[in-house]
Amino acid sequence: QSVLTQPPSASGTPGQRVTISCSGSNSNIGRNTVNWHQQLPGTAPKLLIYGNNQRPSGVPDRFSGSKSGTSASLAISGLQSEDEADYYCAAWDDNLKAWVFGGGTKLTVL
Amino acid sequence: QVQLQQSSPGLLKPSQTLSLTCAISGDSVSSKSASWNWIRQSPSRGLEWLGRTYYRSKWYNDYAVSVKSRITINPDTPKNQFSLQLNSVTPEDTAVYYCAAYDLYYWGLGTLVTVSS
Repeated sequence: QSVLTQPPSASGTPGQRVTISCSGSNSNIGRNTVNWHQQLPGTAPKLLIYGNNQRPSGVPDRFSGSKSGTSASLAISGLQSEDEADYYCAAWDDNLKAWVFGGGTKLTVL
Repeated sequence: QVQLQQSSPGLLKPSQTLSLTCAISGDSVSSKSASWNWIRQSPSRGLEWLGRTYYRSKWYNDYAVSVKSRITINPDTPKNQFSLQLNSVTPEDTAVYYCAAYDLYYWGLGTLVTVSS
């Protein structure tokens, strides 16, 4: 079982806004920043959001992140077919002294 | 822009040693602001961080509890790369292995490692 908890699936129609949640604890999300990674089919994960809400260069502003307490969220607005992918949250865990991940959320664009 | 080039995939037999390297371009393995990580992904275990090495006036390592007795991650400063060694592999170690840089900002393309008799 993953240390961070995500819903296994999410879906939306083109143009819609969807959110994906990530729940952790005081030792990870509660104390450290959250990254979000996008994994397209057959490819390596790619950094989508770092530092809770920062976008690397080249990531569209349709993607946004937030954090409150021991939970974080990824929001995707103006959903597009190419957003269909698996999304993972990650954070450093101070107790485990390790990076921990969510189990991933498979986003389907209907 | 950091780029990571992983070594070739492999087929191993149980009890053998898994060895992978990750060559770095665009940065130095000795950078005092970087960390160099190994992560694996399998359908049964999802994404699993295995460990990291980093330099802060001396070299440090952190390893996941699940593999701590079997893993070594080493820097190779002349070749500007870092390596993963995992001893006594079992079929449970079958996965795609990724190297990643900094706080998982940059990822290699992945290497499929299969353990089978």
